Amino acid sequence: QQQVRQSPQSLTVWEGETAILNCSYEDSTFDYFPWYHQFPGESPALLIAIRPVSNKKEDGRFTIFFNKREKKFSLHIADSQPGDSATYFCAASDHNNNAPRFGAGTKLSVKP
Amino acid sequence: ETAVFQTPNYHVTQVGNEVSFNCKQTLGHDTMYWYKQDSKKLLKIMFSYNNKQLIVNETVPRRFSPQSSDKAHLNLRIKSVEPEDSAVYLCASSHRVDSDYTFGSGTRLLVI
Repeated sequence: QQQVRQSPQSLTVWEGETAILNCSYEDSTFDYFPWYHQFPGESPALLIAIRPVSNKKEDGRFTIFFNKREKKFSLHIADSQPGDSATYFCAASDHNNNAPRFGAGTKLSVKP
Repeated sequence: ETAVFQTPNYHVTQVGNEVSFNCKQTLGHDTMYWYKQDSKKLLKIMFSYNNKQLIVNETVPRRFSPQSSDKAHLNLRIKSVEPEDSAVYLCASSHRVDSDYTFGSGTRLLVI
């Protein structure tokens, strides 16, 4: 049962462009939506997160857009840099003691 | 230093052997998790522990079992490993299920 769907599977952008990564979910009880990034040989690390009280969250070049009605959220990476190349995971969780579910990941490559 | 610590980093074993992986967090978190990350980078929740109480037990094979002495430690035992158990096992912790995760560096298991 895939509760969090992520697309695209892989994405290549040029340096300076905006990368857009998409996720959707099914369970209406989800109320916390983080994004993690994972560099080769390392563990996932929290990048940015949002709760449904907001429809947008910004942190530097990283922005989450959240659409509660359509059950979708996306990560926008502005002015992409080669150092942003990594696998990005979206996740969703609720407060009912159910462990977060992760999307399948998007492998982002930023070409100089 | 406050973090999530996993040992060993890497383990090679033969089919049928028993293995144990250790995880300790010094972040004061109340909840710990084990995830399995396969060769396609998919992250699958295996177990969640909240103050030594199992709150999520996904449909993992019965040869897998979590072991916890207190809320700062969550070990993983595999009774009789099989080839499909080859993967990276990631331990994580958080204050609550709907808050930020901190992952350990992972244990890479190779079953031959």
